[in-house]
Amino acid sequence: DGGITQSPKYLFRKEGQNVTLSCEQNLNHDAMYWYRQDPGQGLRLIYYSQIVNDFQKGDIAEGYSVSREKKESFPLTVTSAQKNPTAFYLCASSIAAGMNTEAFFGQGTRLTVV
Amino acid sequence: DAKTTQPPSMDCAEGRAANLPCNHSTISGNEYVYWYRQIHSQGPQYIIHGLKNNETNEMASLIITEDRKSSTLILPHATLRDTAVYYCIVSLLSNFGNEKLTFGTGTRLTIIP
Repeated sequence: DGGITQSPKYLFRKEGQNVTLSCEQNLNHDAMYWYRQDPGQGLRLIYYSQIVNDFQKGDIAEGYSVSREKKESFPLTVTSAQKNPTAFYLCASSIAAGMNTEAFFGQGTRLTVV
Repeated sequence: DAKTTQPPSMDCAEGRAANLPCNHSTISGNEYVYWYRQIHSQGPQYIIHGLKNNETNEMASLIITEDRKSSTLILPHATLRDTAVYYCIVSLLSNFGNEKLTFGTGTRLTIIP
């Protein structure tokens, strides 16, 4: 079945460690996005990519890094520079910009840093 | 992207129509209005979107005012499974490289049995 998959669903890390969250889609979408959600809050955009080998900072990119080496994959690294990394992270994809369409979201990864 | 304003919470009786308002007074001519919903601890789900005409699909109807400064999402016969946070978003789609979805805090809709 086509869709967008995030793994793992729950992730625990020690403070000061980098951690990489996986996001894979088999929808042949050009655009992919990473959002962060804190309890009781809306989604805030971290990074987005409109095409392979290109990505743009969102509203809260500090302390995060991404890569887009393959169309189907858009991993997010939460670095030790991110001061408050514990959150719910959501990945999404959509057909390339310029087309009137929806975004598909994964089920999220809940990261807890202890 | 234009900002949106939504009430933080609403209740609706099961079986009645749920009408969720959204203000987007700074929307520009080529920005679309999107609605998503998020059930607790899941990824958001697309509902509907439109530019200036009213839209309807199997999930909901979207009514956009003539001046496009506000819109209403209508769930015609709400069920308990419609309890979720509903996000109204405006997004520029026509400019490659600038398209992104910016979510606010949404409206928490609770369907009452």
